[in-house]
Amino acid sequence: QKEVEQDPGPLSVPEGAIVSLNCTYSNSAFQYFMWYRQYSRKGPELLMYTYSSGNKEDGRFTAQVDKSSKYISLFIRDSQPSDSATYLCAFGGALNSGYSTLTFGKGTMLLVSP
Amino acid sequence: DVKVTQSSRYLVKRTGEKVFLECVQDMDHENMFWYRQDPGLGLRLIYFSYDVKMKEKGDIPEGYSVSREKKERFSLILESASTNQTSMYLCASSRPRGAGEQYFGPGTRLTVT
Repeated sequence: QKEVEQDPGPLSVPEGAIVSLNCTYSNSAFQYFMWYRQYSRKGPELLMYTYSSGNKEDGRFTAQVDKSSKYISLFIRDSQPSDSATYLCAFGGALNSGYSTLTFGKGTMLLVSP
Repeated sequence: DVKVTQSSRYLVKRTGEKVFLECVQDMDHENMFWYRQDPGLGLRLIYFSYDVKMKEKGDIPEGYSVSREKKERFSLILESASTNQTSMYLCASSRPRGAGEQYFGPGTRLTVT
């Protein structure tokens, strides 16, 4: 079983749609849950992170964590063409990971058409 | 605002050349990381460093070495570049505690011919 699973996409939606991006994980020791956005030929940028089950909202973005199901989601409301990017989930804080390394998903490509 | 910079955005080198990729961060972070990113394979950790002159192998260290002489600077060295090292190289930094969220540089697209 892979430690992190993330659908590579592409996920194509029209402008204004609500987008749901998801990751599943197997390591129950993960304590921190993050989402990164990566535009083509650029480095990933941290969107948001949380450490508890439940929802965390930041503008049009909502991160959701369900530790019991080992499932995290990122929702994007009123999606814009500028949201077109690859979204990576990342996990950290497992005591056996050492030195604050993160475990990344491979990313989901999102395409928002005007 | 956090900032990680990498010495080159695009680099073309020949097989067998020694290649240096430089990364500098201005956040006073203890941890620094080097990844490569390839289509379908995602981010793969090459090396990381948790202090000056300290280094740890990541998942794919073969063919690479690193140097960290100053806290803000972390160098990745390809001792003898090969075509299978053509990739996007990303540097990141983080604090040693808390969530461990990493801040990335813009990346260096290296082509080895």
